[in-house]
Amino acid sequence: DQQVKQNSPSLSVQEGRISILNCDYTNSMFDYFLWYKKYPAEGPTFLISISSIKDKNEDGRFTVFLNKSAKHLSLHIVPSQPGDSAVYFCAATGSNYKLTFGKGTLLTVNP
Amino acid sequence: EAGVAQSPRYKIIEKRQSVAFWCNPISGHATLYWYQQILGQGPKLLIQFQNNGVVDDSQLPKDRFSAERLKGVDSTLKIQPAKLEDSAVYLCAIGGNEQFFGPGTRLTVL
Repeated sequence: DQQVKQNSPSLSVQEGRISILNCDYTNSMFDYFLWYKKYPAEGPTFLISISSIKDKNEDGRFTVFLNKSAKHLSLHIVPSQPGDSAVYFCAATGSNYKLTFGKGTLLTVNP
Repeated sequence: EAGVAQSPRYKIIEKRQSVAFWCNPISGHATLYWYQQILGQGPKLLIQFQNNGVVDDSQLPKDRFSAERLKGVDSTLKIQPAKLEDSAVYLCAIGGNEQFFGPGTRLTVL
């Protein structure tokens, strides 16, 4: 049973345009959500997070939106840059700090 | 940002052999985690430590996997004996809600 789902295995966008990565979850006990970026041969790097008491969190070019009623979150990258090309993982946790990850979305930003 | 060192970075073994991985948090943190990432999947939690004690090992295949955390700092994860399906990247992380990962150890079991 996949509690965190990233339904798009890959996404390709042009440099300068917006990248939107989506994530759905099923467990109502999740109250903290994170996005990680992963380059080949490296560990996941923390990107941005959002608490369930918020619906939006912004950090530079990265914005995460949370829709609790729909159990859906998304990561917006504006403008996208070639260096953003990586696998992006959505993760969720509750009070026990156990992270549950999605399968990831491979983002390719074309120059 | 916290730093986590892991060694070795790569390991190739035959099935039924034993293998050990090390995790050395550069900056201390009470909570340490081991994750297994199989190709094409997201990381899956194997075990969670709080200081020296195990908080959660419900996903750890205890018939072959073992882990310990020494003095609440460094940690080792061992597989004995290894199976083909253990081929994966083993990631160590520290932190709370926001966890910081090491580079991982890529294990190939032939």
